[in-house]
Amino acid sequence: EAQLSESGGGLVQPGGSLRLSCAASGFTFSSYAMTWVRRAPGKGLEWVSTISGSGASTYYADAVKGRFTISRDNSKNTLYLQMTGLRAEDTAVYYCAKDGAVGDGYSDFDYWGQGTLVTVSS
Amino acid sequence: SYVLTQPPSVSVAPGETARITCGGNNIGSKSVHWYQQKPGQAPVLVISYDSDRPSGIPDRFSGSNSGNTATLTISRVEAGDEADYCCQVWDVTSDLQAVFGGGTKLTVL
Repeated sequence: EAQLSESGGGLVQPGGSLRLSCAASGFTFSSYAMTWVRRAPGKGLEWVSTISGSGASTYYADAVKGRFTISRDNSKNTLYLQMTGLRAEDTAVYYCAKDGAVGDGYSDFDYWGQGTLVTVSS
Repeated sequence: SYVLTQPPSVSVAPGETARITCGGNNIGSKSVHWYQQKPGQAPVLVISYDSDRPSGIPDRFSGSNSGNTATLTISRVEAGDEADYCCQVWDVTSDLQAVFGGGTKLTVL
């Protein structure tokens, strides 16, 4: 069974940077698109970014475009989210999620990590 | 950008049927996925591709999608079903992006 485990969250000042990691196991990592989703306090789920299985294609929400970078290392079965220019409104629990079908996305998110909390505050 | 609209809350008594709607322009032409999230836990996929139930999800959970509304139906509601429920689609009109509804809090009275 697939397992995902996020790390790298914490407290950061506005304008600061943070890199999140998501370690994957239990499936052929390189065959599946991967996605970051966040949930801010009192809000609903918000899509952040998706990367294809090969890493060749990346997609971003307008709210993070130009500030966040998604990447993956298929040799290490690890997904990353480099976050720069952080703002108070980026405060949220960040989840990594696995696409439900082999390919480059467009499917459901069938496995999720437990999330890592990012707090942006001075 | 594509918008999904859900009611903020739905309340039902145990044993009754809960229906949670997800509205979107011609959503019937898209595949809708539904997630359940309990406090402090990760989201769980409960319905995929409008009406498919993943392994391990009780058959009390069902889904439909037509026109401008998708619906998650939970029959014989139990106390353990109390959670936030969120719909999701993919929008490819401009660039690929996943879209989530605002979420619905299901309260079991």
